[in-house]
Amino acid sequence: QSALTQPASVSGSPGQSITISCSGSDRDVGAYGFVSWYQHRPGRPPKLLIYEDTERPSGVSNRFSASKSGNTASLTISGLRVEDEGDYHCCSYAGSRILFIFGTGTKVSVL
Amino acid sequence: QVQLQESGPGLVKPAETLSLMCAVSGASISGSDWWAWVRQSPGKGLEWIGEIYRSGSTNYNPSLESRVTISLDKAKNQFSLKLTSVTAADTAVYFCARDARTGTLYNFDSWGLGAQVVVS
Repeated sequence: QSALTQPASVSGSPGQSITISCSGSDRDVGAYGFVSWYQHRPGRPPKLLIYEDTERPSGVSNRFSASKSGNTASLTISGLRVEDEGDYHCCSYAGSRILFIFGTGTKVSVL
Repeated sequence: QVQLQESGPGLVKPAETLSLMCAVSGASISGSDWWAWVRQSPGKGLEWIGEIYRSGSTNYNPSLESRVTISLDKAKNQFSLKLTSVTAADTAVYFCARDARTGTLYNFDSWGLGAQVVVS
């Protein structure tokens, strides 16, 4: 199975909303309810933002939200801030053969 | 708060074995979670390498399975990664992470900072 497809980069102005897509297949994203999203900022460990398609862990800002339709998952960042700059990765459970498939990663820039 | 820290050589020669350790604090590797390795090659996305459970059961990425071994050191609360016969394609930042299985499923809720490994 191939990596999930994400746009290479997305940008926005402070205060705006942006959406990052994550396109998979009916063997991963579309087959299970286990898409997760991670924020990776330079010098920090990756941080879990979303799990089980749409759930937000305690302590994660409600400016981060997610949805899924068919084989495509999406992460929306509302009220964009400079500190949101970094790389964002989606990940899907993909069954017993290869447990996890990550996306190609998206670089978010705040202009 | 769970913390993970990778350690190991930053430079490995081609055809040799890459060895990394992940020290875990704030959680026991003998608990209900799985413990994983993930890597990121230059200019690419993350790639799941494999993971291990307290029993020693493992799951590996089929693309790496023939070369990967993940093992536990319960006495030191750490787990390790060995990747044999490395090539330049194995140059990457290697992360250890917790695959949480308590209350949620199939996500990585804690990560290390990552260890840069260059094969040259």
